[in-house]
Amino acid sequence: EAGVAQSPRYKIIEKRQSVAFWCNPISGHATLYWYQQILGQGPKLLIQFQNNGVVDDSQLPKDRFSAERLKGVDSTLKIQPAKLEDSAVYLCASAHYTDTQYFGPGTRLTVL
Amino acid sequence: DAKTTQPTSMDCAEGRAANLPCNHSTISGNEYVYWYRQIHSQGPQYIIHGLKNNETNEMASLIITEDRKSSTLILPHATLRDTAVYYCIVRVGSNTGKLIFGQGTTLQVKP
Repeated sequence: EAGVAQSPRYKIIEKRQSVAFWCNPISGHATLYWYQQILGQGPKLLIQFQNNGVVDDSQLPKDRFSAERLKGVDSTLKIQPAKLEDSAVYLCASAHYTDTQYFGPGTRLTVL
Repeated sequence: DAKTTQPTSMDCAEGRAANLPCNHSTISGNEYVYWYRQIHSQGPQYIIHGLKNNETNEMASLIITEDRKSSTLILPHATLRDTAVYYCIVRVGSNTGKLIFGQGTTLQVKP
């Protein structure tokens, strides 16, 4: 069974630029999560989708971050404009509803 | 905030059992304990989870105390590839599947 796919794996941008990350969850998983992991810390949940609806986006900085999952499968997370403090690894995870989450490899973002 | 407390770091000799403790004294009756690990530059990897009973799979064993206020993850024969950050997580709410990660324990397996 294929795991969670993410791209790109690495991205370097200048502050105030925009960036987008893509996630393809495990086939059949209704729930998709985006996490932010700052160096030396555990992952922090940004947003949770169930199918194409948002379940929890309470920790998403909505002034600059946005996410969508239009057809209930793939998802994109966007940052516009990026700040230095957005440098982190962005992790996508999926689950069969509220069951065990399985994580992708992450996208490492560096903002200069 | 995370509902768990773990030691910051631990060492283990290769081939020996690694016992990673976790305190979760405020756990509620329907909240599961999950363990993940994260090897450098990879996404977190699911290991095991449990509610009340001890659990075992091909990777590890999970021992949960009777009062459910603490648990121990056991890697029976640690190898160098088990060097990672291990996260003990109490899953908040059975309806959301939400995980709140703490700082985890950095396990160093030494030859």
